[in-house]
Amino acid sequence: KNQVEQSPQSLIILEGKNCTLQCNYTVSPFSNLRWYKQDTGRGPVSLTIMTFSENTKSNGRYTATLDADTKQSSLHITASQLSDSASYICVVSWHGNNRLAFGKGNQVVVIP
Amino acid sequence: DGGITQSPKYLFRKEGQNVTLSCEQNLNHDAMYWYRQDPGQGLRLIYYSQIVNDFQKGDIAEGYSVSREKKESFPLTVTSAQKNPTAFYLCASTIGGGTTGELFFGEGSRLTVL
Repeated sequence: KNQVEQSPQSLIILEGKNCTLQCNYTVSPFSNLRWYKQDTGRGPVSLTIMTFSENTKSNGRYTATLDADTKQSSLHITASQLSDSASYICVVSWHGNNRLAFGKGNQVVVIP
Repeated sequence: DGGITQSPKYLFRKEGQNVTLSCEQNLNHDAMYWYRQDPGQGLRLIYYSQIVNDFQKGDIAEGYSVSREKKESFPLTVTSAQKNPTAFYLCASTIGGGTTGELFFGEGSRLTVL
């Protein structure tokens, strides 16, 4: 069973609009949650990393939120640009383990 | 500039051949990882190494081998025993040996079996 579930699997948005991506996880005990952006054919690039005590973190037009109680995170993209077209991957780690649990990604396509 | 360099970017292999993917980092990171990415799936861990001359199997190590003779290098060999090797391979590194630090990825190597 995948420990990290992302939704929606894919979405298309108009340039300039906002969108929100969801990540639910079952990992325990939780250590941190990361969001990565992966352009097609490229390696993932870190957007944000949040620990248990953080409930929001921004990186430019990207804002991530974390609710450790409900084990949910969201990534909000403000005023989308064509360059935001990519896969956004949610990654969760837990204490006492050297592994990371990866979601399958949210595929975002921004159209003019 | 500091970063992770993977080569080659694209690689074609005939069935029965071994191939080696290169991963070099100049970030002075202790831990290095190899992941496999298939369409519609999350990244899966092949091997990881926390220190020189030591490495551990990940979730899908069968048909792969690695070495860690130098801190900055972590090559991955895809052997003929890997039954479905066509995939996108990503190398990553992080400072320290755990998973609390930021994970840096290379640009990936796409392997296609002909």
